[in-house]
Amino acid sequence: QVQLQESGPGLVKPSQTLSLTCTVSDGSISSNSYYWSWIRQPAGKGLEWIGHIYDSGSTNYSPSLKSRLTISKDTSKNQVSLRLGSVTAADTAVYFCARGVRGATVESIDYWGQGTLVTVSS
Amino acid sequence: DIVMTQSPDSLAVSLGERASINCKSSQSVFYRTDNKNYLAWYQQKPGQPPKLLIHWASTRESGVPDRFSGSGSGTDFTLTISSLQAEDVAVYYCQQYYDIVQTFGQGTKVELK
Repeated sequence: QVQLQESGPGLVKPSQTLSLTCTVSDGSISSNSYYWSWIRQPAGKGLEWIGHIYDSGSTNYSPSLKSRLTISKDTSKNQVSLRLGSVTAADTAVYFCARGVRGATVESIDYWGQGTLVTVSS
Repeated sequence: DIVMTQSPDSLAVSLGERASINCKSSQSVFYRTDNKNYLAWYQQKPGQPPKLLIHWASTRESGVPDRFSGSGSGTDFTLTISSLQAEDVAVYYCQQYYDIVQTFGQGTKVELK
């Protein structure tokens, strides 16, 4: 069964760049059967889709974050990364890495990491 | 973006009773080419990541109890828990994956009455 583990700094200063890594175990990010997503959740609030990356390296981003966001992958390490620039307190949230299924079309997300809390504060 | 709106925001249900959660999308998530609704339901318990319950609007994920069912098409969907159990207390989210920009509903909190 695939496992996803998010890692990165838990505290980021305002205006700086938030960087997170998702390490995938028991599943290859190079498989064309899946795509890899980032989703976040502020404390006590709902889920916000951030974006995702396909095996080809192509990406789709949330329009509200697109100007500050980069999602990339390192196939040799089986990792997916997120970089969000110019952060503010509004970016404080639990960040989840997740796997989506890809058949003939994009399908639903089926596995989630445990999530990692990132706080933006000076 | 497709806006997903759930109702109610919360509901309290007695053990063994039925719980129904509605999800409405701002545009259809039905894809005529494959005759499928691109709609999923997730369950999230405190301190845990969401868990996939239902995809394609009505297909239960493997291992999900059959008291959970999904219905609807186009823009209107429902998640039903036929006989609420204590372990079903959670927040439930709908999500559309029809559009390349995926979106979630705001969540519905299910509590015990």
